[in-house]
Amino acid sequence: GAVVSQHPSRVICKSGTSVKIECRSLDFQATTMFWYRQFPKQSLMLMATSNEGSKATYEQGVEKDKFLINHASLTLSTLTVTSAHPEDSSFYICSARLSGGGSPDTQYFGPGTRLTVL
Amino acid sequence: GENVEQHPSTLSVQEGDSAVIKCTYSDSASNYFPWYKQELGKGPQLIIDIRSNVGEKKDQRIAVTLNKTAKHFSLHITETQPEDSAVYFCAASISAGNQFYFGTGTSLTVIP
Repeated sequence: GAVVSQHPSRVICKSGTSVKIECRSLDFQATTMFWYRQFPKQSLMLMATSNEGSKATYEQGVEKDKFLINHASLTLSTLTVTSAHPEDSSFYICSARLSGGGSPDTQYFGPGTRLTVL
Repeated sequence: GENVEQHPSTLSVQEGDSAVIKCTYSDSASNYFPWYKQELGKGPQLIIDIRSNVGEKKDQRIAVTLNKTAKHFSLHITETQPEDSAVYFCAASISAGNQFYFGTGTSLTVIP
């Protein structure tokens, strides 16, 4: 299947700092990427939909000024958690939409980034 | 919006036995149903998916069935192995490129 990478895999930061997480589609171009967060033993909750070259669409209750999303190329989307606080500690996962080129239209997930805010 | 329910939340089976996980959805417009396996500390991995124009799909030990009328779909794992132990999530979407609505997950334990 298609490969999606995330960097970093783990990050620990102090309260008030900003953290950037990268999501890359390694062997395909992704016009759409999705960002999820997952709390322990819970399901994935969609935060935002990121389309290449346009503004992200945020889900209700997600602060767009706190979770900045940039999708500047067909293979890279970034999520920046600004002024992070302990309640932002979570597992952040991206997915990329694989479409066209004869492949079935589906989404592939990255390995996730564990964010811990002290 | 779409609401996906998943049962059971935990499942333990003996190695070699079968495991079945069931999901229901509410939006009749949903037509794409993937299943993901998530191991501890890792991202979800697509294991099988089904579209609404078929009722069943099989890939080796894994199969998925879909009943559009009843709005439910199920994951079947036969001849389970310890490495099948993980959390499994179902999802529903009106298309693969749109938002996925995830179930709450099933923690499967295969006992050697």
